[in-house]
Amino acid sequence: DAGITQSPRHKVTETGTPVTLRCHQTENHRYMYWYRQDPGHGLRLIHYSYGVKDTDKGEVSDGYSVSRSKTEDFLLTLESATSSQTSVYFCAISESSGVGSPLHFGNGTRLTVT
Amino acid sequence: KNEVEQSPQNLTAQEGEFITINCSYSVGISALHWLQQHPGGGIVSLFMLSSGKKKHGRLIATINIQEKHSSLHITASHPRDSAVYICAVHAGNQFYFGTGTSLTVIP
Repeated sequence: DAGITQSPRHKVTETGTPVTLRCHQTENHRYMYWYRQDPGHGLRLIHYSYGVKDTDKGEVSDGYSVSRSKTEDFLLTLESATSSQTSVYFCAISESSGVGSPLHFGNGTRLTVT
Repeated sequence: KNEVEQSPQNLTAQEGEFITINCSYSVGISALHWLQQHPGGGIVSLFMLSSGKKKHGRLIATINIQEKHSSLHITASHPRDSAVYICAVHAGNQFYFGTGTSLTVIP
């Protein structure tokens, strides 16, 4: 199994509080992604990174920010959590953007905003 | 508009049946992935393919690049195959996902 760890696995927080989710990889893969998974929707991209300090927005980036100061860590921050951000968050890694690049997922973080 | 469409959304089968899940996509891709997610569980990669056919045990995945279509087949289905199966395509720097097919195999 690819070495990818998400923390925390579960979190309950109140509306308006900041929250940071961490994704840590030991595979030295270049690409890292944050997705959210909600009923009735496929996995939706929040932000992704294509290298240290190189990030870009996905389709549902409003209310989220990311940082990647080291190859192995990709942080997702909810600056001021809202109930609409209650979701399961998955981190994924990929070696490259080219053909033959498998996608590996972390085990997910279940976030509840009350 | 969804870049990836899967069918059916839900599927119930008797143990031993042959199962087919379909995936159509609308973008140019470098590869297509089939993923499996058990209830409350993580997401596991089953196949990555860019042409032809691949087989792992009872699972077979095919892709037709010209028609922008892929199928996932499960032969001799078993209750442990019950899961959500997700089709994803790799286009540029991003992956696009179908909404998944929820499969239940009844003993």
